[in-house]
Amino acid sequence: EVQLVESGGRLIQPGGSLRLSCAASGFTFKNYAMHWVRQAPGKGLEWVSAISGNGANPDYADSVNGRFTVSKDISQNTLFLQMNTLRAEDTAVYFCVMGYNSGTYFDSWGQGTLVLVSS
Amino acid sequence: DIQMTQSPSFLSASVGDRVTITCQASQDINNYVNWYQQKPGKAPKVLIYDAFNLETGVPSRYSGSGSGTHFTFTISSLQPEDIATYYCQQYDELPRVTFGGGTKVDIK
Repeated sequence: EVQLVESGGRLIQPGGSLRLSCAASGFTFKNYAMHWVRQAPGKGLEWVSAISGNGANPDYADSVNGRFTVSKDISQNTLFLQMNTLRAEDTAVYFCVMGYNSGTYFDSWGQGTLVLVSS
Repeated sequence: DIQMTQSPSFLSASVGDRVTITCQASQDINNYVNWYQQKPGKAPKVLIYDAFNLETGVPSRYSGSGSGTHFTFTISSLQPEDIATYYCQQYDELPRVTFGGGTKVDIK
């Protein structure tokens, strides 16, 4: 069974940095692209970032490009999202997401971790 | 970036009603659309993939159709457990995907 467990979200001041983690199990981590999707309170879903199975080819939404960095530790089956220069508008629940049965739709989601950017 | 315009943003219907949600893509995306259901406090769940394919285990009252730029999601007979927010998602430019703004469905 695929399991994705996010951690690292907390209250952080504007301009600060935070690293989110996503512990993955139940599948061969190096074979699957992984994504981060976020949801601001009471708002819709926004794709944030993705990384290929082998940890290459990171990609980012324009809203976070240059501030966020996605990475994978394949030896630890863990996905990371390093978030720098955080802004109030980055406040959201961040989901670790993948497509297990197909890379074209997200059938596996973590429970999410809340990042609250506020002074 | 491809935009997905979803409508309506909210709808209220009676149990047993047929409910339809639409998504309009800003450019031709073939049939590269998925539909998700999200209940409060939970992660989204995929219901329909590749525009019209029903995910395993999902009730058959859900269906999807469309191609190109216009897509439709239908609940043939609304049930109390269908109270949720529904999102379309396009994947024409993987890994970049975009979601529609969501449709909150309520029971009258």
